[in-house]
Amino acid sequence: DGGITQSPKYLFRKEGQNVTLSCEQNLNHDAMYWYRQDPGQGLRLIYYSQIVNDFQKGDIAEGYSVSREKKESFPLTVTSAQKNPTAFYLCASSPRGEGAEAFFGQGTRLTVV
Amino acid sequence: SQKIEQNSEALNIQEGKTATLTCNYTNYSPAYLQWYRQDPGRGPVFLLLIRENEKEKRKERLKVTFDTTLKQSLFHITASQPADSATYLCALVDTGGFKTIFGAGTRLFVKA
Repeated sequence: DGGITQSPKYLFRKEGQNVTLSCEQNLNHDAMYWYRQDPGQGLRLIYYSQIVNDFQKGDIAEGYSVSREKKESFPLTVTSAQKNPTAFYLCASSPRGEGAEAFFGQGTRLTVV
Repeated sequence: SQKIEQNSEALNIQEGKTATLTCNYTNYSPAYLQWYRQDPGRGPVFLLLIRENEKEKRKERLKVTFDTTLKQSLFHITASQPADSATYLCALVDTGGFKTIFGAGTRLFVKA
């Protein structure tokens, strides 16, 4: 089954702890993205990567970090510097080609307790 | 700053009617506009893409229009069904094709 997989689906974190969200795709897509979704707001871009070993900050990168060591994987670390980390996090990938559609994972709901 | 506006109020319609959702944007000149469907607790799913030089696009019961002068897209679902109930997001893609910005979405309820 081709697709994009996020894990875990639910994640609880204590304040002051870093946590890493997993995102894996077997679609052979070059580009990968991380979005954050809060109630009543659109998806906000955190980081994106167009190619292995390269990534760019999105609109709300502060308090987050990523890596792209393999084409298939794009993990997101939510650091203790992120002031309001509780949110629904979505990972996506897309093939080359302008305007190409994004394929999303099922999301990870992070709650800080 | 770039802004996408979708009606934050939910749209309630009767089964069989046409649902029309609106997406307005400012301070942006997108090369493409996309529409996605999102069900609660799940990731969005792509529905349609329309290019800046296209006025209208159709796919089965779906129709999208794109007016770059008005900076507006309309998304229509004809012969709506209860299964069409979901949140619909519009997204703008820049010329480079890699940066996509999303609206907050409009919740659609179709009553049987």
